[in-house]
Amino acid sequence: GAGVSQSPSNKVTEKGKDVELRCDPISGHTALYWYRQRLGQGLEFLIYFQGNSAPDKSGLPSDRFSAERTGESVSTLTIQRTQQEDSAVYLCASSLSLGWNSPLHFGNGTRLTVT
Amino acid sequence: DQQVKQNSPSLSVQEGRISILNCDYTNSMFDYFLWYKKYPAEGPTFLISISSIKDKNEDGRFTVFLNKSAKHLSLHIVPSQPGDSAVYFCAPLKGAQKLVFGQGTRLTINP
Repeated sequence: GAGVSQSPSNKVTEKGKDVELRCDPISGHTALYWYRQRLGQGLEFLIYFQGNSAPDKSGLPSDRFSAERTGESVSTLTIQRTQQEDSAVYLCASSLSLGWNSPLHFGNGTRLTVT
Repeated sequence: DQQVKQNSPSLSVQEGRISILNCDYTNSMFDYFLWYKKYPAEGPTFLISISSIKDKNEDGRFTVFLNKSAKHLSLHIVPSQPGDSAVYFCAPLKGAQKLVFGQGTRLTINP
């Protein structure tokens, strides 16, 4: 069965450009998360979507970051006017629902490098 | 406001010995605690969890111990194997809220 798929796997962009990262969750998973991991750092929560509820955007570091999800399918994370500190691995995860009995299934991430 | 801390960024253990990874948290309302394991260039994968009403959960070579009074949990791996070399993240959970991860501990198992 297909897992969580993220594209592209690697992205190099120039400072100031916009980038869009894509996540295809596991079919039927209502919850979708975005995290990022900077070099040498832990997993930093960015945003999550749960069904039709309003997304929890509390982890987005600035208004240059935004994310959308169409129903219970694909999500895109957009970073506008990228900065060098945005360089990180961006990880998407999905789960059947929220809670302890719905472990997150992660994709392999998109490695973003801002030059 | 970091609710979970893994104070050891790295740990090196000899193959066959016990690996002990520690995690401290601040919110006494957490009701589940999860451990995830991450290999390079891959996303984290779920490893084991424990409910706050228990003090121990065992799954094969992996055991989680929870000390609620100390707000501390630990993951024991015994015997440690080379394939256990990875970064381990502790993630406490409250109800159906978002999962927040610790900083991770890089475990290296030496042959």
